[in-house]
Amino acid sequence: GAGVSQSPSNKVTEKGKDVELRCDPISGHTALYWYRQSLGQGLEFLIYFQGNSAPDKSGLPSDRFSAERTGGSVSTLTIQRTQQEDSAVYLCASSYWTSGRAGPEQYFGPGTRLTVT
Amino acid sequence: RKEVEQDPGPFNVPEGATVAFNCTYSNSASQSFFWYRQDCRKEPKLLMSVYSSGNEDGRFTAQLNRASQYISLLIRDSKLSDSATYLCVVNKDNFNKFYFGSGTKLNVKP
Repeated sequence: GAGVSQSPSNKVTEKGKDVELRCDPISGHTALYWYRQSLGQGLEFLIYFQGNSAPDKSGLPSDRFSAERTGGSVSTLTIQRTQQEDSAVYLCASSYWTSGRAGPEQYFGPGTRLTVT
Repeated sequence: RKEVEQDPGPFNVPEGATVAFNCTYSNSASQSFFWYRQDCRKEPKLLMSVYSSGNEDGRFTAQLNRASQYISLLIRDSKLSDSATYLCVVNKDNFNKFYFGSGTKLNVKP
């Protein structure tokens, strides 16, 4: 079956512009995560969605970052007024949900490589 | 203090060697533990979960030490294809947030 897909795979933008990154999780996975990975660094948690519950936004680095998930499926991460320090790979992951908790395995998409010039 | 800390390496080992990585976590309430593997410019993929009693999957053995708050990964008979970055992952007490270490890089040489 299809895995997690993300688009675009690469995005180059000028400082100050807004960007939208898209994630299409595995069908049936109700938990969805966004992470950011800078060069040579680990994954930084950004935001988490589970079903219709309020998202956990505790990892968003500033109010320029926002995310939404429509219909419990596709998610978009929006970065407004991009800065050079926003340059990173943005990874989306999804997971199934059972017995009140996210499944042990997160399935990652290939990521979007964002470069802010 | 970071939630999860790992030695970044790199660990450079010859084929056939045994290599071990450790990872420490800061929150004693952490519930679940995992090792993920990330190849260069690729997304992370689950290598194995780590159980309290320790577990083995082929050449890979994972151990958990709750008292000292660390987990380990042992790779026996290293293969060239084991070259990658190994990420330690801890799932916090609400079961819904995963914390990733920065990874330990392994280079297996011929």
